[in-house]
Amino acid sequence: DQQVKQNSPSLSVQEGRISILNCDYTNSMFDYFLWYKKYPAEGPTFLISISSIKDKNEDGRFTVFLNKSAKHLSLHIVPSQPGDSAVYFCAASAQRENYGGSQGNLIFGKGTKLSVKP
Amino acid sequence: NAGVTQTPKFRILKIGQSMTLQCAQDMNHNYMYWYRQDPGMGLKLIYYSVGAGITDKGEVPNGYNVSRSTTEDFPLRLELAAPSQTSVYFCASARDRLQETQYFGPGTRLLVL
Repeated sequence: DQQVKQNSPSLSVQEGRISILNCDYTNSMFDYFLWYKKYPAEGPTFLISISSIKDKNEDGRFTVFLNKSAKHLSLHIVPSQPGDSAVYFCAASAQRENYGGSQGNLIFGKGTKLSVKP
Repeated sequence: NAGVTQTPKFRILKIGQSMTLQCAQDMNHNYMYWYRQDPGMGLKLIYYSVGAGITDKGEVPNGYNVSRSTTEDFPLRLELAAPSQTSVYFCASARDRLQETQYFGPGTRLLVL
């Protein structure tokens, strides 16, 4: 049973436009969320994160929005650039002490392949 | 800093063979992790370590073993390779467990035939 879902396997966007990548989660204990970016034949690299005490976090062209009531987060990239073409993974973790031994461990979604066309 | 390094980059194993995937980090991180990524899937945690001498199982530990004798190294051992272990394996490290970025190695692609 997937606890973190990325329902769009792929997304194609024109250069300069906005890219919106979506992620849903089912476990209400998750309170910290991250996005990782992965190029072929490389390991994932950290992009941006958000704690459940916030509903938005910005870092340059990247913004993550969190809707706790809907258990949904999204990554916005504005403007999109061809170098943003990669697979984007959403990940979640439970930071609270009462989560037990798995506290802090990351649960990943399946990823969304973003293609930004020039 | 080299960050997280993994060797080998690619390996073909026959069913029943064993091998060790190497992982090293030079960031003095306490936490280290092993993940596997199957085609079209997300990363799944195999084992993790919170410091030298301490390891624990993740989501998919069956068929694997780990050890952590030093802060820098976290090898992953496959004892009896099976086709189901064909995957890409990523090692990662982090300074702490909570709200800390995990830094990933480049991965080891393993094919079991």
